[in-house]
Amino acid sequence: GAGVSQSPSNKVTEKGKDVELRCDPISGHTALYWYRQSLGQGLEFLIYFQGNSAPDKSGLPSDRFSAERTGGSVSTLTIQRTQQEDSAVYLCASSLAGPGANVLTFGAGSRLTVL
Amino acid sequence: DQQVKQNSPSLSVQEGRISILNCDYTNSMFDYFLWYKKYPAEGPTFLISISSIKDKNEDGRFTVFLNKSAKHLSLHIVPSQPGDSAVYFCAASASNGANSKLTFGKGITLSVRP
Repeated sequence: GAGVSQSPSNKVTEKGKDVELRCDPISGHTALYWYRQSLGQGLEFLIYFQGNSAPDKSGLPSDRFSAERTGGSVSTLTIQRTQQEDSAVYLCASSLAGPGANVLTFGAGSRLTVL
Repeated sequence: DQQVKQNSPSLSVQEGRISILNCDYTNSMFDYFLWYKKYPAEGPTFLISISSIKDKNEDGRFTVFLNKSAKHLSLHIVPSQPGDSAVYFCAASASNGANSKLTFGKGITLSVRP
């Protein structure tokens, strides 16, 4: 597609439920990132996929968080047993490989509210 | 530990004047710096970048200055326009030209008064 597409745009869930957030990156972009922005905070790195390499999971805050990227394209971020502190906007971004690869194109985000 | 710091949470300037947004970093391995702009309910969009081999990069009304010895960069917008009102994020990475994660600051909210 023309841009990075994320769904759902808004999700309200109860504490303890699992949620899945989806990201459809720009076609041809080999790198895919997940960030989150909590209220009053900057963009917090979560996980990074690059081609067939092992993902960089160093930013995942707990083992309740996981992500996968199927076929080098669509990615799903899963949060199990959600907690109120998981409430944030979850942003996906993608980029090309090689020079200029640091320029990430972001989606509009998925706003998660855990009650 | 905040490796990229934007210490001022907000800035208000008059239309037509200069906006100066500051950013400091602590990681000496950072060698590529970017500014992103974010409107409400939208994802951040890339604005301008600078490599550590330069000390200035200009694109229209936007100029980014890098002072490596001070680990400081700034974004200048001149003249400022009401449409520039947004949150501006400073970001840095440690691998110029290659895929690597960006570390972002907390952002600064710029308001340009008509």
